[in-house]
Amino acid sequence: DTAVSQTPKYLVTQMGNDKSIKCEQNLGHDTMYWYKQDSKKFLKIMFSYNNKELIINETVPNRFSPKSPDKAHLNLHINSLELGDSAVYFCASSFSTGSSYEQYFGPGTRLTVT
Amino acid sequence: DAKTTQPTSMDCAEGRAANLPCNHSTISGNEYVYWYRQIHSQGPQYIIHGLKNNETNEMASLIITEDRKSSTLILPHATLRDTAVYYCIVRGSSPFAGNNRKLIWGLGTSLAVNP
Repeated sequence: DTAVSQTPKYLVTQMGNDKSIKCEQNLGHDTMYWYKQDSKKFLKIMFSYNNKELIINETVPNRFSPKSPDKAHLNLHINSLELGDSAVYFCASSFSTGSSYEQYFGPGTRLTVT
Repeated sequence: DAKTTQPTSMDCAEGRAANLPCNHSTISGNEYVYWYRQIHSQGPQYIIHGLKNNETNEMASLIITEDRKSSTLILPHATLRDTAVYYCIVRGSSPFAGNNRKLIWGLGTSLAVNP
């Protein structure tokens, strides 16, 4: 009965490879997010989708490409991985209407690029 | 660019109340105060939010000053499992209007609950 799930939990890969991280939520939310948390623990938003439409696209290298096949899924594909991409990536989801917009986070994917 | 200021770290004895302060002196009239926490190696977890009235739920209480320039998150009976980084964030009422579209995360307060 996991609310927001991510796969894989750990990802170790070499520079130059292409990898994907998957996210699924079963909360019925219409908005999903990708965050990056670096070694200094800052949590920064990368992308947000509302009803499969991209609504937030921060200053992120175009090697990062999100895809939302439906409201319950948001995947992140990363091309030509670099050392600086090493971080923990969190997926989150929320409603976009109502009185509050609290976000629910997944457990994170720890990406290590060697 | 965080619009809030929090102490870097705090300690609390197990079973006692933990009071975590947050300054948000530039908060505007339609901005809510949200609190999240992140337990080590886990994703952030929503705790509570409020606009101007004090709020309470099963996890915590939120006390907002009358001028709304600061707030305090209260964990009434802290346990070891409450050891985490606590983030105070302000955002507008609509998540998709202008700068309300994203949460700005600072470094939060690292709370250590000691036995």
